[in-house]
Amino acid sequence: DAGITQSPRYKITETGRQVTLMCHQTWSHSYMFWYRQDLGHGLRLIYYSAAADITDKGEVPDGYVVSRSKTENFPLTLESATRSQTSVYFCASSEQAVTEAFFGQGTRLTVV
Amino acid sequence: GENVEQHPSTLSVQEGDSAVIKCTYSDSASNYFPWYKQELGKRPQLIIDIRSNVGEKKDQRIAVTLNKTAKHFSLHITETQPEDSAVYFCASYMDSSYKLIFGSGTRLLVRP
Repeated sequence: DAGITQSPRYKITETGRQVTLMCHQTWSHSYMFWYRQDLGHGLRLIYYSAAADITDKGEVPDGYVVSRSKTENFPLTLESATRSQTSVYFCASSEQAVTEAFFGQGTRLTVV
Repeated sequence: GENVEQHPSTLSVQEGDSAVIKCTYSDSASNYFPWYKQELGKRPQLIIDIRSNVGEKKDQRIAVTLNKTAKHFSLHITETQPEDSAVYFCASYMDSSYKLIFGSGTRLLVRP
């Protein structure tokens, strides 16, 4: 859906660099999520947020930082990228807690 | 913490046959169980969901069953077609923590 977009779509960065992945949704959904997708591991939850200024750790938060100063944006920052963070990252949002989550198109991140 | 196990990891069926994917969850407070389909190179999209107060739900060729006592739920696809080939993910959502946790995925191949 055009309502949730991620940028960039592809990113190559070097080990040790800081990189930020952007996520923007136009629905004013309260809940937002960040996942990473790796072969054999499915979708693993990194961080999630119930509203602006409310964030919490998911299953694999180490090495990542999030913020949510505005409802529509939920950026994910890798403070010092490592090769193990090479993955496809998906952002998602849902209107309420137990309703359909809509995914962005994903960001393929390669750390060299 | 919450955990969702999904089996099998791969499933190959003949066109027209049925396919069944099973998931178990760890937290008895989980109350929402969506299923997502992800085609190659695309984002996950919801195909069906079920809430904890319902035992079964159908939508054309797709059905989901939930056994709260055993803490497992299953996806059933009947009369499979080649376009059903994709990766399927189950997920579990606990209202009190608003975490949406996914299983590791099942790659379904429907042979013509």
